[in-house]
Amino acid sequence: AQSVTQPDIHITVSEGASLELRCNYSYGATPYLFWYVQSPGQGLQLLLKYFSGDTLVQGIKGFEAEFKRSQSSFNLRKPSVHWSDAAEYFCAVTVYGGSQGNLIFGKGTKLSVKP
Amino acid sequence: NAGVTQTPKFQVLKTGQSMTLQCAQDMNHNSMYWYRQDPGMGLRLIYYSASEGTTDKGEVPNGYNVSRLNKREFSLRLESAAPSQTSVYFCASSEGTGTTYEQYFGPGTRLTVT
Repeated sequence: AQSVTQPDIHITVSEGASLELRCNYSYGATPYLFWYVQSPGQGLQLLLKYFSGDTLVQGIKGFEAEFKRSQSSFNLRKPSVHWSDAAEYFCAVTVYGGSQGNLIFGKGTKLSVKP
Repeated sequence: NAGVTQTPKFQVLKTGQSMTLQCAQDMNHNSMYWYRQDPGMGLRLIYYSASEGTTDKGEVPNGYNVSRLNKREFSLRLESAAPSQTSVYFCASSEGTGTTYEQYFGPGTRLTVT
């Protein structure tokens, strides 16, 4: 069965520093990959998605992610973190041709930003 | 466009009570979903509806029932609430066809069962 692993439960970075959040997935076929962000008390907002093509995808709020098939990874990056980026981030995967319910989420990484 | 709306925002139930969580979307999406979010667990799918008139179980359906009332609305019912159902519940919707699987989420319902 497919699964998503986010190895880091909690990360703290200084404002202005770069950020990388890790995501590894487990599935043999071509996955569709997503990153969502959840601000405190809010629902989830889609940051970016990868379906096919260029393995470096750009998202909203200055985020990008790179799909690496050889490493089964889809890490999220941002060159300079802002205090408003403090939130919880979820990586998710679904599979091409799968049923509509097959969106599998990682357990999330909580990002704290130091001033 | 309001997107995905959920009512209520907060609810406290006693063990054994029943309630229905309401969800509506105004994006003309075909597919709708109910998830629960527990600390350290991420989101887990309870039920989904690929299209109007169909519903299917997700990862954690026990203790829940759903109704796809029409294309816009998808409700989640707890017949006899248990403390283990204390959670934050999110409804989501997606176009449901073609190659896009992007799901849009509502703001959530925080449920406490005592």
